Amino acid sequence: GAVVSQHPSRVICKSGTSVKIECRSLDFQATTMFWYRQFPKQSLMLMATSNEGSKATYEQGVEKDKFLINHASLTLSTLTVTSAHPEDSSFYICSARDRQGEYFGPGTRLTVT
Amino acid sequence: GENVEQHPSTLSVQEGDSAVIKCTYSDSASNYFPWYKQELGKRPQLIIDIRSNVGEKKDQRIAVTLNKTAKHFSLHITETQPEDSAVYFCAASVAGTSYDKVIFGPGTSLSVIP
Repeated sequence: GAVVSQHPSRVICKSGTSVKIECRSLDFQATTMFWYRQFPKQSLMLMATSNEGSKATYEQGVEKDKFLINHASLTLSTLTVTSAHPEDSSFYICSARDRQGEYFGPGTRLTVT
Repeated sequence: GENVEQHPSTLSVQEGDSAVIKCTYSDSASNYFPWYKQELGKRPQLIIDIRSNVGEKKDQRIAVTLNKTAKHFSLHITETQPEDSAVYFCAASVAGTSYDKVIFGPGTSLSVIP
């Protein structure tokens, strides 16, 4: 079946630093990848839609200069949280889509101290 | 844009009883409605989905119904088991291209009491 991986699974960083999260589709090519953020006991909130070879489409209220998304290939998308602050601490989940469906990664727990 | 509401936010049932979770959506163009189960700290898992050309779909103990006129859909779990305890999210999407966004409801925390 379709497998999506994320790396790292957990990361702790200091305020003001940047963190990169990778999302990979392991056994299929994903035309589109999505990035979600989930705060404790809340729903998944779509941050941006990532298309291979083009600029990401950000949802309203999501700062594109703070959350940099690069979709370099059909199997890899990266999310970089720049100048992270404690309020950026959250569970970040990616998903990858092909014609059959949408598949979620295991998530990355980001803690900014 | 699409807005998905979900009720109840929490639900406790005795093992063996049924659980029903209801959702409404706002965009009449939405035509794909997946349901996800998420355990604490894990990724959402698709448990069932329904498309707008179908009014009901069943998979063993899980069923979903859709009323397009009223713009609401429901998840029914029968003969609940403790392992059904999790957070359940409904979602809505305008399916048709790979760019379609899936908008999630706020979630229902289901507890099945042994």
